[in-house]
Amino acid sequence: NAGVTQTPKFRILKIGQSMTLQCTQDMNHNYMYWYRQDPGMGLKLIYYSVGAGITDKGEVPNGYNVSRSTTEDFPLRLELAAPSQTSVYFCASSYGVLDTGELFFGEGSRLTVL
Amino acid sequence: ILNVEQSPQSLHVQEGDSTNFTCSFPSSNFYALHWYRWETAKSPEALFVMTLNGDEKKKGRISATLNTKEGYSYLYIKGSQPEDSATYLCAFNGNKLVFGAGTILRVKS
Repeated sequence: NAGVTQTPKFRILKIGQSMTLQCTQDMNHNYMYWYRQDPGMGLKLIYYSVGAGITDKGEVPNGYNVSRSTTEDFPLRLELAAPSQTSVYFCASSYGVLDTGELFFGEGSRLTVL
Repeated sequence: ILNVEQSPQSLHVQEGDSTNFTCSFPSSNFYALHWYRWETAKSPEALFVMTLNGDEKKKGRISATLNTKEGYSYLYIKGSQPEDSATYLCAFNGNKLVFGAGTILRVKS
């Protein structure tokens, strides 16, 4: 059972480039999330999804886009990379949000924008 | 904007010391309060998910209490060990899961 799988683990981008962080889960969870970790700030929610075809903004959505075409996959797209998007990104999933569902996290993707 | 505060920011203790951290959160629209343990170079892992006012949960030497009416939760570690060194995150679930900044615990042997 793989759990939550994120790729790539590391990436260096130039300013203005685009890329997609992939996330897939095999636990049949309805809810999926993208967080970014900034030093001293904990985890900030970028986008989340309550099921296939449904996405919503979190605390810091600017500069990102997401889609949820299947239950398993929740890719995060950076269209025009900026240095402020240098961070570690975590994808997570849970069975539900309005219940006791704990989050299961991927291993993180470290992105550097130069 | 939901405000989830954790204190202290960091804590350095000696092996064998007992310690506790605080998580403060809004007292309205409460669904659950999560605690996660986050070791360096790993992913956060859930310790507890608490939903009821007055709830107390325990896992080994770690326990947590919850007061939803006043909006706080305490995490206790009894007899800290070096392997307890990690960042401890709380997250408030009020329809979205919002994390605090975490408490960094370092236990010296």
